[in-house]
Amino acid sequence: SYVLTQPPSVSVAPGQTARITCGGNNIGSKSVHWYQQKPGQAPVLVVYDDSDRPSGIPERFSGSNSGNTATLTISRVEAGDEADYYCQVWDSSSDHHVVFGGGTKLTVL
Amino acid sequence: QVTLRESGPALVKPTQTLTLTCTFSGFSLSTSGMCVSWIRQPPGKALEWLALIDWDDDKYYSTSLKTRLTISKDTSKNQVVLTMTNMDPVDTATYYCARTSYGDYTYYFDYWGQGTLVTVSS
Repeated sequence: SYVLTQPPSVSVAPGQTARITCGGNNIGSKSVHWYQQKPGQAPVLVVYDDSDRPSGIPERFSGSNSGNTATLTISRVEAGDEADYYCQVWDSSSDHHVVFGGGTKLTVL
Repeated sequence: QVTLRESGPALVKPTQTLTLTCTFSGFSLSTSGMCVSWIRQPPGKALEWLALIDWDDDKYYSTSLKTRLTISKDTSKNQVVLTMTNMDPVDTATYYCARTSYGDYTYYFDYWGQGTLVTVSS
């Protein structure tokens, strides 16, 4: 089955740029979606189809995907960006199903 | 305005069957490209996808749980129901339903319910 690998944690100072990676075999051939989840809340879609943003999501959130790694980039990080972030793909290679990464805790120092 | 709300028991006993209902508004499951999924999250752990049903009544299930899961829809009531048999304490989790949009050979979750915590204990 398809596996997505995320670093457990990423730390960044306010105003800096955070990059959260999502690794998978030839993930560049798939569409990657990203979710932000704050404590006690439901996840929120922040990037879909590798690099598109839903309405209401700040331009500071961007995504890229190539080769074996997809990346969520958060520019000018704010304290309010501290959350867990999950990547997700649809795997149709064998069994048709959704795959989530293990999640990355973003800490704003 | 799209909203989803999960409902069901907060506590179930081991071996029992869990039935959860997702009641939604702001979209129709008869519209091409619209789907609803169930996703769960054990306390302190990652998201886990369970099942998806689409506008054409196609259904997809988590490989590891598919023998225990059934997803169905009632388009007239704007509801999607998930049943999970043979519940175990490891199934304790917050269960979310989410509107699922179909794109270019992919699915993603653009609106989520608030989630409902289900505890499995005798």
